[in-house]
Amino acid sequence: ETGVTQTPRHLVMGMTNKKSLKCEQHLGHNAMYWYKQSAKKPLELMFVYNFKEQTENNSVPSRFSPECPNSSHLFLHLHTLQPEDSALYLCASSQRAEVYNEQFFGPGTRLTVL
Amino acid sequence: ILNVEQSPQSLHVQEGDSTNFTCSFPSSNFYALHWYRWETAKSPEALFVMTLNGDEKKKGRISATLNTKEGYSYLYIKGSQPEDSATYLCAFNNFGNEKLTFGTGTRLTIIP
Repeated sequence: ETGVTQTPRHLVMGMTNKKSLKCEQHLGHNAMYWYKQSAKKPLELMFVYNFKEQTENNSVPSRFSPECPNSSHLFLHLHTLQPEDSALYLCASSQRAEVYNEQFFGPGTRLTVL
Repeated sequence: ILNVEQSPQSLHVQEGDSTNFTCSFPSSNFYALHWYRWETAKSPEALFVMTLNGDEKKKGRISATLNTKEGYSYLYIKGSQPEDSATYLCAFNNFGNEKLTFGTGTRLTIIP
């Protein structure tokens, strides 16, 4: 157990659906991250929140919309996704968004877009 | 674009044998190198963070070395056990950037 939980663990959605992924960390950290892993590709950073402020948006399409209401919770709202968005979405947290800071990962949400 | 390369992509090792694999990264503007272990259906788990050239870190039977001048790190596992089966990821920070750039991982399978 890393102290980072993600729900749901699996999600199947149609291209016209709207859904949300949830991440919660119980570590007292101040930075949270969304990563995407597509098949046979490296983990790719999507968004960074540091003290609830978004500090990084790695050119992510607007059909992915993050929300960080407090330092413990992070959401990824999904709408009008494409089949190529099917991937594993991982959340992580760290003490702060700084170099050296060890990131603690959740187990991921396996998303399939039909 | 920063490239982090890991080799081999996959590896099968007999239980009890020792093994090692490589992470290559850009040597300019180096700041930190991270190793993670990722078991199937679980969360990636941090193993080491290394920052200094020549650094060696050890955790039980697993150790890692770092060469920042030539841009590589080795991960060693001594006396492999079935529970070592996992994907081993390395990730790199360049100077002043908290963003981690990951490699695609080495998938290790221990054969009992």
